Amino acid sequence: DADVTQTPRNRITKTGKRIMLECSQTKGHDRMYWYRQDPGLGLRLIYYSFDVKDINKGEISDGYSVSRQAQAKFSLSLESAIPNQTALYFCATSDPLKRTGGTGELFFGEGSRLTVL
Amino acid sequence: QQQVKQSPQSLIVQKGGISIINCAYENTAFDYFPWYQQFPGKGPALLIAIRPDVSEKKEGRFTISFNKSAKQFSLHIMDSQPGDSATYFCAASSPGGTSYGKLTFGQGTILTVHP
Repeated sequence: DADVTQTPRNRITKTGKRIMLECSQTKGHDRMYWYRQDPGLGLRLIYYSFDVKDINKGEISDGYSVSRQAQAKFSLSLESAIPNQTALYFCATSDPLKRTGGTGELFFGEGSRLTVL
Repeated sequence: QQQVKQSPQSLIVQKGGISIINCAYENTAFDYFPWYQQFPGKGPALLIAIRPDVSEKKEGRFTISFNKSAKQFSLHIMDSQPGDSATYFCAASSPGGTSYGKLTFGQGTILTVHP
């Protein structure tokens, strides 16, 4: 089984609909992230959470919200989806470099492809 | 604004050739520079990383060259193989009481290695 699992893997929806993308991890990492991938733009950070009670906006958080339900679960919501939110979304986890001796490496899920019509 | 600029956007190389991907950054506070490799249908995975206290790091056929004064770093893939065909992302992060997980990524390079 994958260490970082994203659901759904593919979703087609209509403008104005509410969408939730879910992420769960078995790596035991405190830190979780949501990135968005667009061709030619690379990966851009939407939100990140360093523990259950700590949630922070990334560079493109407008139109998105998140919920950290538990250490292992981090969900991304689009309250009212719009076509320019059509993208590939990635959840990732990391182990802090200094605090626990981790490498700081990001571990990504396999992505959720969202199409907003 | 794009704090990490990556080029080229796509690259075609013959098997056995050298693939070179370049990145430039603006934020002088960046002090960790990883490269991620992404195969179709998969999430990116860490390939190799460097910190600015060294100018080069080599792992097998993959080498990062780092030029701190020019604020540039590059990935060299020696003896490129068809299995190296993937999208490559450079990235950078800075400290500040946190770890290196909060990365700023480049735009990505689609590498195709022809047999």
